[in-house]
Amino acid sequence: QKEVEQDPGPLSVPEGAIVSLNCTYSNSAFQYFMWYRQYSRKGPELLMYTYSSGNKEDGRFTAQVDKSSKYISLFIRDSQPSDSATYLCAMSGFQAGTALIFGKGTTLSVSS
Amino acid sequence: EPEVTQTPSHQVTQMGQEVILRCVPISNHLYFYWYRQILGQKVEFLVSFYNNEISEKSEIFDDQFSVERPDGSNFTLKIRSTKLEDSAMYFCASLQQSSNYGYTFGSGTRLTVV
Repeated sequence: QKEVEQDPGPLSVPEGAIVSLNCTYSNSAFQYFMWYRQYSRKGPELLMYTYSSGNKEDGRFTAQVDKSSKYISLFIRDSQPSDSATYLCAMSGFQAGTALIFGKGTTLSVSS
Repeated sequence: EPEVTQTPSHQVTQMGQEVILRCVPISNHLYFYWYRQILGQKVEFLVSFYNNEISEKSEIFDDQFSVERPDGSNFTLKIRSTKLEDSAMYFCASLQQSSNYGYTFGSGTRLTVV
């Protein structure tokens, strides 16, 4: 059973573009939704998290969760070459400490 | 900023040998995890550890694997008899108590089984 689906890309955009990254999931028990950024041969680094449905904004990044559709998104405005990385969605249940379940990651390349 | 430290960064081992991967989690964190990422694949959950015992494990975490917290700072993953398919990046992570999102990952150990 594939719990979290994410298009691996690669996605190539010019500097300044708006980027949309998405994941779908099947397990309705997921309550916490996270986006991680991963550089080559490094560990995932937390970018943003959202609890339940709704939007959250942090600078150029906006995370959206639609629990009714089991769909989450990360938008990057005014993308920069330094945003080039792999973006992983991850989810966990309500109970503290439960395991994170990751999507496969989308590789983004922003060209100057 | 506090970080999770993993050693070694790269280990090459012969098939059938035992390996121990080491992690020093963030000092005030109480949940500890091991994940692995085979090249080109998802980051996969292996095991979580809380209050000196395994709290959750995946079907990947079979009898070949074991975890230990031998002292107050280290957290280890042992693979008893390595197989070629164990070649992957292994990530340690830790989490504060009563948090659902602040998982901090180490930089990983790249394990190559030859």
